[in-house]
Amino acid sequence: DAGVIQSPRHEVTEMGQEVTLRCKPISGHNSLFWYRQTMMRGLELLIYFNNNVPIDDSGMPEDRFSAKMPNASFSTLKIQPSEPRDSAVYFCASSKLAGGQNEQFFGPGTRLTVL
Amino acid sequence: GNSVTQMEGPVTLSEEAFLTINCTYTATGYPSLFWYVQYPGEGLQLLLKATKADDKGSNKGFEATYRKETTSFHLEKGSVQVSDSAVYFCALGSNDYKLSFGAGTTVTVRA
Repeated sequence: DAGVIQSPRHEVTEMGQEVTLRCKPISGHNSLFWYRQTMMRGLELLIYFNNNVPIDDSGMPEDRFSAKMPNASFSTLKIQPSEPRDSAVYFCASSKLAGGQNEQFFGPGTRLTVL
Repeated sequence: GNSVTQMEGPVTLSEEAFLTINCTYTATGYPSLFWYVQYPGEGLQLLLKATKADDKGSNKGFEATYRKETTSFHLEKGSVQVSDSAVYFCALGSNDYKLSFGAGTTVTVRA
């Protein structure tokens, strides 16, 4: 079975440009999570969706960040405009919530570099 | 709120040595506990889990026991290999479906 798919794997862009990260969760999973990982701050939860609805976006750092989940098989995280401090690895994870167990399956990540 | 504290690294070991990474948690209710592993350049993978007190999770020679009385979930492996070099994350799962992660512990195993 295919795991969580993220694209692109690497993105290099210049400050001020728009960046869109994409995620395809595991089929049948009903929750999706976006994380950011940096050396300084570790792993941070940005936002999560349940049944395509954003439940908690308190981790989104600024209005420059937005996320959508138009259907059960696709989500995007957009940064506009991007800044050098947004450089990080962004992970998408999905989960099938059942019986209170909330194991999450992570994608390979997108390494974003903003120059 | 929920939180996880894990042993700071980095940890450097020789092959076949015993590995322990300490993890303690603070939580309300009855959380599930997880250990995730991240190999270089990859995403996090679930290593093992435990869903209630006294449960023992195990996988690939790693073990961890859910100790409610000490609010701990320490990770152990009796004989590490070079291929175990990775970053290990302790995590706590709560009823709101989020996971709270520790800071991660980098483990390097030398041949």
